[in-house]
Amino acid sequence: GAVVSQHPSWVICKSGTSVKIECRSLDFQATTMFWYRQFPKQSLMLMATSNEGSKATYEQGVEKDKFLINHASLTLSTLTVTSAHPEDSSFYICSAKEIGRPNYGYTFGSGTRLTVV
Amino acid sequence: AQKVTQAQTEISVVEKEDVTLDCVYETRDTTYYLFWYKQPPSGELVFLIRRNSFDEQNEISGRYSWNFQKSTSSFNFTITASQVVDSAVYFCALSEAPPIGANSKLTFGKGITLSVRP
Repeated sequence: GAVVSQHPSWVICKSGTSVKIECRSLDFQATTMFWYRQFPKQSLMLMATSNEGSKATYEQGVEKDKFLINHASLTLSTLTVTSAHPEDSSFYICSAKEIGRPNYGYTFGSGTRLTVV
Repeated sequence: AQKVTQAQTEISVVEKEDVTLDCVYETRDTTYYLFWYKQPPSGELVFLIRRNSFDEQNEISGRYSWNFQKSTSSFNFTITASQVVDSAVYFCALSEAPPIGANSKLTFGKGITLSVRP
């Protein structure tokens, strides 16, 4: 089946540094990648939607300059948390939508647990 | 706007008990998709089921069964003879059918934490 590889699975960084999270679709082409954020014991909140080759669409309240999303190819999307602060500590998870499967086929990565100290 | 409500927040049962997780949704679309995902402590989301709005047939998969009722906008999930390995957070989610060429995001409920005790 469809697989999305997300790396790293966990990362600890110092406040003020930037962290890049990668999501790769391994055996399919993803037209769209969704990036979610999940605080402890809470639901997944959509941060942004990215389409290959175009700018990401951010949800209201999400700072696009802080959370940089790049979807340079049909198999790779990255989320960079710039100048991270402790409040950015969270679980980040991506989801890819496969070409030709418009309303299903949401394949999730395994998530990245970010801790900013 | 679409909305998913999972009124139960935490459920604790003893192994072998049956348990039902409730999900109520709101949408203006006539075409939509409903999902259930399982999130074990490790964090990854495990896909359990997808149901489109035109298919009201209930589904059974092993110990899992789903009851879709459009009349009450509910898509409930029942685990029969629960096991300790069923302990996880369970999310119900909704996706509306987008216009051609547009994207459709998943809207998640708040999740239900299920604890199955030996």
